[in-house]
Amino acid sequence: GAVVSQHPSRVICKSGTSVKIECRSLDFQATTMFWYRQFPKQSLMLMATSNEGSKATYEQGVEKDKFLINHASLTLSTLTVTSAHPEDSSFYICSAPPPGGYGYTFGSGTRLTVV
Amino acid sequence: GQNIDQPTEMTATEGAIVQINCTYQTSGFNGLFWYQQHAGEAPTFLSYNVLDGLEEKGRFSSFLSRSKGYSYLLLKELQMKDSASYLCALNTGGFKTIFGAGTRLFVKA
Repeated sequence: GAVVSQHPSRVICKSGTSVKIECRSLDFQATTMFWYRQFPKQSLMLMATSNEGSKATYEQGVEKDKFLINHASLTLSTLTVTSAHPEDSSFYICSAPPPGGYGYTFGSGTRLTVV
Repeated sequence: GQNIDQPTEMTATEGAIVQINCTYQTSGFNGLFWYQQHAGEAPTFLSYNVLDGLEEKGRFSSFLSRSKGYSYLLLKELQMKDSASYLCALNTGGFKTIFGAGTRLFVKA
């Protein structure tokens, strides 16, 4: 079945630094990927839609200059959290619609802790 | 906009049946998903309802009524491993999915 690989699974960084999270579709091509953020005991909140070869589409309230998204190939999307602050600490998850199916495939998620 | 409501928590006994409800308000959607999410893990796909009615898949069944803005996930023969959060989500078009806050299910022995 369709697999989405997400790295790293956990990262701790200092306040003010940047962190890059990668999301790869391993056995299918994904022209579109989605980035979500999930705070403890809350639901997944869609941050942005990553489009291969074009600019990402951000949801209202998400700072595009803070959360940089690059979708340079059909199998890779990256999310860079720039100038991270403690309030950015969260669980970030990517997903992609698999070819020919309804159920979106999610990456394993990245637990970001900013200290 | 869209609004999705689910109970925050539910508790059920091993071997029993539990129904998790989801109500929603939206101007339109393609279909409704149910996902399972264990703590600290990514969601996994359970079901997708496009038409009204019941979809059965093993121990899990999902129901949709578009006219009532209502769906439920039915879990039979509960097992301890079913303890997880269950997320109701709407496919609002263009691959975009909006999630409810999820229902945390606790299965006790």
